[in-house]
Amino acid sequence: SQTIHQWPATLVQPVGSPLSLECTVEGTSNPNLYWYRQAAGRGLQLLFYSVGIGQISSEVPQNLSASRPQDRQFILSSKKLLLSDSGFYLCAWSKLLAGAGEQFFGPGTRLTVL
Amino acid sequence: GQSLEQPSEVTAVEGAIVQINCTYQTSGFYGLSWYQQHDGGAPTFLSYNALDGLEETGRFSSFLSRSDSYGYLLLQELQMKDSASYFCAGGADDKIIFGKGTRLHILP
Repeated sequence: SQTIHQWPATLVQPVGSPLSLECTVEGTSNPNLYWYRQAAGRGLQLLFYSVGIGQISSEVPQNLSASRPQDRQFILSSKKLLLSDSGFYLCAWSKLLAGAGEQFFGPGTRLTVL
Repeated sequence: GQSLEQPSEVTAVEGAIVQINCTYQTSGFYGLSWYQQHDGGAPTFLSYNALDGLEETGRFSSFLSRSDSYGYLLLQELQMKDSASYFCAGGADDKIIFGKGTRLHILP
């Protein structure tokens, strides 16, 4: 069966510090991978998606970046965090095109920038 | 632009039926999905409608009308554990766009 892991579960970082969140998927190959951010009490904002190694599409220009160094690994990074980067970060994968059915979400990372 | 609209909150009584509506504007639309999210948790998939009509999965049903750009999620025999946020999501190409979510409150 397929599983998706994210770490860390919670993170508190000062403004201006770097960020690295990691997501890995097990039990499937060549998944489509996604990073979302969810502000408190709000919907999900798609940040990045990837259909293959080294292929990254950005949805929202900001101080975040993503990389996919391996087939089942997706990393979200920032060189300098802003207060507005606080939120719940969710990684997800899908086998089909995302618009065509189910996405599977990881447990998320709750980031607080102080 | 692409968007999905749904009510921010809905309240219903335990054991009753509730319908959560979703209207959308998305180009290259594939279909409509529904996700449930409990406080502090990650979204979990409930249903997907690629074609017009009703899809039933246990106590949950989902409906889509492409001509009306409209869908809904129907929850029957409500239980307290159904208290959560529900998101409709519309897909196009490699990505999916989520509505802002409907918070379902269930009264005993």
